[in-house]
Amino acid sequence: NAGVTQTPKFRILKIGQSMTLQCTQDMNHNYMYWYRQDPGMGLKLIYYSVGAGITDKGEVPNGYNVSRSTTEDFPLRLELAAPSQTSVYFCASWPGGVVGTDTQYFGPGTRLTVL
Amino acid sequence: AQSVTQLGSHVSVSEGALVLLRCNYSSSVPPYLFWYVQYPNQGLQLLLKYTSAATLVKGINGFEAEFKKSETSFHLTKPSAHMSDAAEYFCAVTGGGNNDMRFGAGTRLTVKP
Repeated sequence: NAGVTQTPKFRILKIGQSMTLQCTQDMNHNYMYWYRQDPGMGLKLIYYSVGAGITDKGEVPNGYNVSRSTTEDFPLRLELAAPSQTSVYFCASWPGGVVGTDTQYFGPGTRLTVL
Repeated sequence: AQSVTQLGSHVSVSEGALVLLRCNYSSSVPPYLFWYVQYPNQGLQLLLKYTSAATLVKGINGFEAEFKKSETSFHLTKPSAHMSDAAEYFCAVTGGGNNDMRFGAGTRLTVKP
């Protein structure tokens, strides 16, 4: 298993540009998450999905959109990039069940800079 | 709502010394607590978790943490630091759902030779 993969690893955007961060997992997990990690801060949940076709907002969803057409993929879309979206973005997946019976599996992250 | 506070954004210890990383939580429901480690340019990896079973939890790489309800704490310890322990450590809490998980700001551990 490759686990959770994310592309690209790094990206620099200009203000107002758009892009999609890709996330794929090959573990057949129902739950998938997008977090952002700002310097000196913990992870904050942007969006999550409990299965194909179902998504919901997390703690900091403004400026982002997601879709979940398949179990494997959970792309994150930035429509009008702003400097406040400069961050490291992590995708994670979880098989489900009682929280704590298994861990969330994290991807390696995408480092995004908006200038 | 849940939250965690990690005391000390940066901890430095000598190789072989005790590692103590502090985490205090706030939760309106019985909490699930986690410690994650993040090595440079990598995602988070679970070290250990508390899910209302034993209050002393042992994790990977020789780490352990003790859940103390009276102190609302879940501090992470390791008796003897190794150079490979240098990383960022995050405490996290949830009341029962991963979509409610809240992470602390992280503690960067430096290990001096």
